[in-house]
Amino acid sequence: GAVVSQHPSWVICKSGTSVKIECRSLDFQATTMFWYRQFPKQSLMLMATSNEGSKATYEQGVEKDKFLINHASLTLSTLTVTSAHPEDSSFYICSASPEQAPNTEAFFGQGTRLTVV
Amino acid sequence: GQNIDQPTEMTATEGAIVQINCTYQTSGFNGLFWYQQHAGEAPTFLSYNVLDGLEEKGRFSSFLSRSKGYSYLLLKELQMKDSASYLCAVKDSNYQLIWGAGTKLIIKP
Repeated sequence: GAVVSQHPSWVICKSGTSVKIECRSLDFQATTMFWYRQFPKQSLMLMATSNEGSKATYEQGVEKDKFLINHASLTLSTLTVTSAHPEDSSFYICSASPEQAPNTEAFFGQGTRLTVV
Repeated sequence: GQNIDQPTEMTATEGAIVQINCTYQTSGFNGLFWYQQHAGEAPTFLSYNVLDGLEEKGRFSSFLSRSKGYSYLLLKELQMKDSASYLCAVKDSNYQLIWGAGTKLIIKP
């Protein structure tokens, strides 16, 4: 099946610093990728839709200046958490589908566990 | 608004059968997905239904009734490794996945 690679798997950073998370589709092109956040014992929450070559679409309540998304190529999207605070500590997951078709499931990266101290 | 409901938690015995229900109300429908998620890991795809009926895949089966906005995931011959969260998700008219809160399944020996 299709593979999506996410890096890093985990990261610890100090408050006030920035962290970049990469999401790559390894064997298909993805014009659209999705970024999710998941707090413990909660479901996936869509943060934003990353569109290749254009601005990302953010969900209500997600600060676009804090969570910078860049989708510069058909196989790479990055999420940068700027000026991180302890409340940003969470599990961040990206996903992509080979095409926006009804019968195509979303393939997920491995997830990134962010801890802000 | 869009809404997907599934039970928060279920408990079953090793070797038994369990059915996890999911009801949905979404703007448009382009398929229903079931995913398994172990703690601290990304979800993995289990099944896809777009037409009414039952889809069987090994120990797992998934059923869909579009008129009722209802699906279930059936797990047979439960194993301890099946302990996980099971997520129901629907693709809406924009092909965006709308997620349920997940059902935590606890398997007891």
